[in-house]
Amino acid sequence: QVQLQESGPGLVKPSQTLSLTCTVSDGSISSGGYYWTWIRQHPGKGLEWIGYIHYSGKTYYSTSLENRVSISLDTSKKQFSLRLTSVTAADTAVYYCARDSSGFPYYIDYWGQGTLVTVSS
Amino acid sequence: QTVVTQEPSLTVSPGGTVTVTCASSTGAVTSYHYPNWFQQKPGQAPRALIYTTNNRHSWTPDRFSGSLLGGKAALTLSGVQPEDEAEYYCLLYYGTTRVFGGGTKLTVL
Repeated sequence: QVQLQESGPGLVKPSQTLSLTCTVSDGSISSGGYYWTWIRQHPGKGLEWIGYIHYSGKTYYSTSLENRVSISLDTSKKQFSLRLTSVTAADTAVYYCARDSSGFPYYIDYWGQGTLVTVSS
Repeated sequence: QTVVTQEPSLTVSPGGTVTVTCASSTGAVTSYHYPNWFQQKPGQAPRALIYTTNNRHSWTPDRFSGSLLGGKAALTLSGVQPEDEAEYYCLLYYGTTRVFGGGTKLTVL
């Protein structure tokens, strides 16, 4: 069973950059078979897809966040990371990392436990 | 901006059957939206249930099934158990992007 674990600061000041890392337990991060994905959930609200990165380095982002978000990959550390710039209180959320298949059949199977990031001065 | 819509809430009796649906603002949901379904309980991460319309993950109980119904994706729970009380989310694929539904709170009463 694959495990994913988010890590990073739980508190970020407004206008600063939110940075999170997801560590993957197995070597699947180095295969071309998956998209490494970030998803968030505002308090008491639904899930919001942020974007993903493929082993090839190709990235895709939500149109609502694409001007502020970037996702990167470090296969040597079995990690991928999220950066969200110019944060506001509206970016306060639980952030999840997840694994998304990059070919048929299409699925998101494994998720991290999530990490709460609060944007506040 | 694509919007994916689910029933906000549903109630079912233990042992009963309930269907949660997932509609797309772009038109009918088809198999090419590769519908996925997730269950989330309070304080927990979502758990994958169904992928590519009607395929169960290895850990998904048989009482959960997926389908396409009247232009929507559907998740049906048969023989509902008390532990099925949770929030359920669909996910639709739109080419290179994905959009989650707003979630359905299922109460077992």
